[in-house]
Amino acid sequence: QVQLVESGGGVVQPGRSLRLSCAASGFTFNSYAVHWVRQAPGKGLEWVAVISYNTIDKKYADSVKGRFTISRDNSKNTLYLQMNSLKTDDTAVYYCARAPVMSDGMDVWGQGTTVTVSS
Amino acid sequence: ERVMTQSPATLYVSPGERATLSCRASQTVSSDLAWYQQKPGQAPRLLIYGASTRATGIPARFSGSGSGTEFTLTISSLQSEDFAVYYCHQYYYWPLTFGPGTKVDIK
Repeated sequence: QVQLVESGGGVVQPGRSLRLSCAASGFTFNSYAVHWVRQAPGKGLEWVAVISYNTIDKKYADSVKGRFTISRDNSKNTLYLQMNSLKTDDTAVYYCARAPVMSDGMDVWGQGTTVTVSS
Repeated sequence: ERVMTQSPATLYVSPGERATLSCRASQTVSSDLAWYQQKPGQAPRLLIYGASTRATGIPARFSGSGSGTEFTLTISSLQSEDFAVYYCHQYYYWPLTFGPGTKVDIK
């Protein structure tokens, strides 16, 4: 079945780095844009970043620009989020979600992976 | 940035009743508006995209309307599984933004 599975979350100290992964299955991964969306504890949804189907175009939220890098490996059907210089405000559940194109509704979501930034 | 607001913050509805949720954009987002449902401990689920098109597998009791800056999600007859938080989301302008959500709770 169509599925996205995130991994790589954990507890990390402020200023450190973490890399999240999102493994896709059940569909043609290289035909879709893919987003990262996060949700802080008890809060709403916040869009983080998106990458186009062919890796050429990437966009970021201002809150993560210069610290986070989105990438994908279409040969491995996997999306990544490299998170550097982490702050306590980055604590959240991180979801990956696919969309037909970068500017469209997100029709398939993973179950999320939890990132906790704490000293 | 397109700021999205939703009202009310919480909507109390009895099963079988109609629920009307509102979403407003600070500037036009044309029809590039989606609605998501999220239940506790679960990922969001796409309900509506293009302001009024139901996503695959979404029951007909969910409908969306509006364009520009004013949007509405209507649930015609609430079922027990519909009690959840609903988010609107604009993808017209970067950065993409979500509304703060409306919680639909049992009356």
